[in-house]
Amino acid sequence: KAGVTQTPRYLIKTRGQQVTLSCSPISGHRSVSWYQQTPGQGLQFLFEYFSETQRNKGNFPGRFSGRQFSNSRSEMNVSTLELGDSALYLCASSASLAGALGEQYFGPGTRLTVT
Amino acid sequence: AQSVAQPEDQVNVAEGNPLTVKCTYSVSGNPYLFWYVQYPNRGLQFLLKYITGDNLVKGSYGFEAEFNKSQTSFHLKKPSALVSDSALYFCAVRDDNYGQNFVFGPGTRLSVLP
Repeated sequence: KAGVTQTPRYLIKTRGQQVTLSCSPISGHRSVSWYQQTPGQGLQFLFEYFSETQRNKGNFPGRFSGRQFSNSRSEMNVSTLELGDSALYLCASSASLAGALGEQYFGPGTRLTVT
Repeated sequence: AQSVAQPEDQVNVAEGNPLTVKCTYSVSGNPYLFWYVQYPNRGLQFLLKYITGDNLVKGSYGFEAEFNKSQTSFHLKKPSALVSDSALYFCAVRDDNYGQNFVFGPGTRLSVLP
C-alpha cells in the first residue's frame, strides 16, 4: 500500500498570505489528523477528520481550518499567516477514529516557512 | 486533561548496550499508549502500542515497552542498541474516553555512539 502523501513538501510564504496544504491518506483509511511540529512547542494536535466531519479540534486559532473530502483526502488552510506559523505540518491517517485501537501513519510533512 | 512527560531531552548510549527512553503519562480514563520514532526530515513512524492486556509490549525493530499502571509509566527499551537507532522518540497517549485526541510528549533524542 502507498503511504500517506503530503503536498507540497516545502513552502515559503510571506506574512498575511494564506496557504493550503494537502494530505492523501493510506487507501481505506477514513481518519486524517493534522499536527504542527515546532522546536519550541513540539507536536501539537490541530484537528481530526473522520468521514468528512471534524471530530476533534486542538487549541489553535480560527485561522487554522481544514476539511475532508469524500475520498478521505484532506486539506488544511491557514489564513493571515504569521511568523510563528513556520513549522513542519504533519498529517496522519488511521483506519479508525484517531487510531483509537490502532496506530496512526504519518506523512513526511510539509515544511512551511513564513517570512 | 491528558499529559505526557519525557523527562530526558537526550539519552546517550553505547552501541550494543541496552537502552531505555522514559515516558510517564496522566489521563482521566484508561490510557492508550504509543511510541513513535522520527528520523531526520521524516515523518513519525509507529513503533508499538499498549491498549490492554500484557504489560510488556513488543514492537518494531526489536523495541519493547513496559506498561506500569501504578507508576503511570510506559518506558521504551531495547536490549542492544544500534547506531541506526539514533533518532527522536515520542511517547503519546490517548484517553479511552471516545473523542479524546492524541497528546504527544516533547520527545527524547537518542544518540547511539559507535
